Amino acid sequence: AQSVTQPDIHITVSEGASLELRCNYSYGATPYLFWYVQSPGQGLQLLLKYFSGDTLVQGIKGFEAEFKRSQSSFNLRKPSVHWSDAAEYFCAVGSFSGTASKLTFGTGTRLQVTL
Amino acid sequence: GAVVSQHPSWVICKSGTSVKIECRSLDFQATTMFWYRQFPKQSLMLMATSNEGSKATYEQGVEKDKFLINHASLTLSTLTVTSAHPEDSSFYICSARDPSGRAYEQYFGPGTRLTVT
Repeated sequence: AQSVTQPDIHITVSEGASLELRCNYSYGATPYLFWYVQSPGQGLQLLLKYFSGDTLVQGIKGFEAEFKRSQSSFNLRKPSVHWSDAAEYFCAVGSFSGTASKLTFGTGTRLQVTL
Repeated sequence: GAVVSQHPSWVICKSGTSVKIECRSLDFQATTMFWYRQFPKQSLMLMATSNEGSKATYEQGVEKDKFLINHASLTLSTLTVTSAHPEDSSFYICSARDPSGRAYEQYFGPGTRLTVT
């Protein structure tokens, strides 16, 4: 069965500092990987996705992620964090179950940004 | 871009009553919609997959008689929490898949916070 691990529950960074959020997945086939961001009391917004091809993917809001098959990882990065980036970040893997595709989410990483 | 709405955004109901949550795809036709439940500071747990015109597929451990899902049209799915109890209080999020998009891509609604008193 597929699973996603986000080892960091909570991360605090200073505004302007770089950021890396870790994500490890377990899936038997070629993974379809996603990063979502959730602001308090809101739904999820897609930051970026990886389906195939270039292993470094660019997303919205200056985020990027790198797929490393050998490490089963899909870490999210941003070179310079803004205070508005404070939110909950979820990594997800897409899988096919029966007749439907579905997403399995990690437990999330809460990002706090200090000024 | 694809937009998914939910209504209501929050609802308070008394224990034993039922409450219905609507999920609409506003600018695309969604053959498949998903319902998730999120407890405070936790991840999203898939409750069920809803396909237009057919019965929903529930994840293991989800009571289908308590969480009734109807996907009567290509733009609307509803989740009815029947005989709600305080332990049903949670944040419910729906998502929809645009069939013209790539597999696994889901567009999420803003969520509905349910509080059962």
